[in-house]
Amino acid sequence: DAKTTQPPSMDCAEGRAANLPCNHSTISGNEYVYWYRQIHSQGPQYIIHGLKNNETNEMASLIITEDRKSSTLILPHATLRDTAVYYCIVVGSGGGADGLTFGKGTHLIIQP
Amino acid sequence: GAVVSQHPSRVICKSGTSVKIECRSLDFQATTMFWYRQFPKQSLMLMATSNEGSKATYEQGVEKDKFLINHASLTLSTLTVTSAHPEDSSFYICSAGGLRVYGYTFGSGTRLTVV
Repeated sequence: DAKTTQPPSMDCAEGRAANLPCNHSTISGNEYVYWYRQIHSQGPQYIIHGLKNNETNEMASLIITEDRKSSTLILPHATLRDTAVYYCIVVGSGGGADGLTFGKGTHLIIQP
Repeated sequence: GAVVSQHPSRVICKSGTSVKIECRSLDFQATTMFWYRQFPKQSLMLMATSNEGSKATYEQGVEKDKFLINHASLTLSTLTVTSAHPEDSSFYICSAGGLRVYGYTFGSGTRLTVV
């Protein structure tokens, strides 16, 4: 699976949009971009995933560049409960046969 | 949505004893489950992959005789840490793989402290 690069930490004011970038320049055509977050001492929580089109769900939006070499996770109205480590992971389409490779992620801190 | 239930959430055990951690898929059948370990201030590291009815496969550096994995049914996988030592103290997390709609679903984790 392709490697990802994320900033180690980011701050965002409560109520503002949090934009978390991720670089995955070696992604291949059949690999998906998944985003998870981990709140302290809990298991990772699925947020969203996409292949090449932008995606939106009740939690977030995922913007993938046309060349698919980078993406941005957008939390439209951040709250204090969004403080967590956010992981961007590239996953093959192999149907779940492989576990996920977690990088260091971005520690997002929402400031009151 | 898909739910994976993991128990216990935290356990303290004495050195030399064994601890079993259970991971159940509540509303779906999980043919594959993954076990991760997370040390403080570090990321999750995949330990092993268990497939229902077959032997688990372990990542390099993970002792298969120390971390026993059983996946006897489509809804239950267990990880037993045998002869635990303080260096085994960690956060253990299970995951059911390949759920295309919900992504890979994770359990809530087990905080193991060996004293």
